[in-house]
Amino acid sequence: NAGVMQNPRHLVRRRGQEARLRCSPMKGHSHVYWYRQLPEEGLKFMVYLQKENIIDESGMPKERFSAEFPKEGPSILRIQQVVRGDSAAYFCASSGGSDTGELFFGEGSRLTVL
Amino acid sequence: KNEVEQSPQNLTAQEGEFITINCSYSVGISALHWLQQHPGGGIVSLFMLSSGKKKHGRLIATINIQEKHSSLHITASHPRDSAVYICAVRPMRGAQKLVFGQGTRLTINP
Repeated sequence: NAGVMQNPRHLVRRRGQEARLRCSPMKGHSHVYWYRQLPEEGLKFMVYLQKENIIDESGMPKERFSAEFPKEGPSILRIQQVVRGDSAAYFCASSGGSDTGELFFGEGSRLTVL
Repeated sequence: KNEVEQSPQNLTAQEGEFITINCSYSVGISALHWLQQHPGGGIVSLFMLSSGKKKHGRLIATINIQEKHSSLHITASHPRDSAVYICAVRPMRGAQKLVFGQGTRLTINP
């Protein structure tokens, strides 16, 4: 009965490379949320997805960032041409749905851009 | 001004003390979450509240919707309670996204 699984836990990239972060929600959950935690800052909402649909991406930077949650497989947060300011912990959470559904968080993926 | 304010930002106490962390918010909400984050670790959801009070072990969470205020209490605190405690609200509008407080860093000394 695995919880929310994120990988990789740690990722190091050089400026200009691409970063792909993966999130497998809890079994039976079809709602996925991505949050970013910059160093010494609080968590910020990035994007909310359901299977094959982006529901709310109002927290996503306009450029270089994209997210998907395909019919099969994990949700992917993709950052193209990474810059040092992208260094952060990226957390995924999942829920079974509804506005008041309980949220379950993953362990996070820590991206370091050199 | 942040929509979610926590106090104190940092709290150091001795083992056994009763701990209170406060959260005030300025928007209408459908639910409020208390989360726990250990250094370098993941996030654990402690409580989700929409009214009243919930208790789990030594942890108690209360919410007053009219006053837009919630508290997290820890009884008989222990060094393993040392962590960052985060308050997060689901606004009535845009209820799918959480708005987070800055967190309260709690240190319990033996």
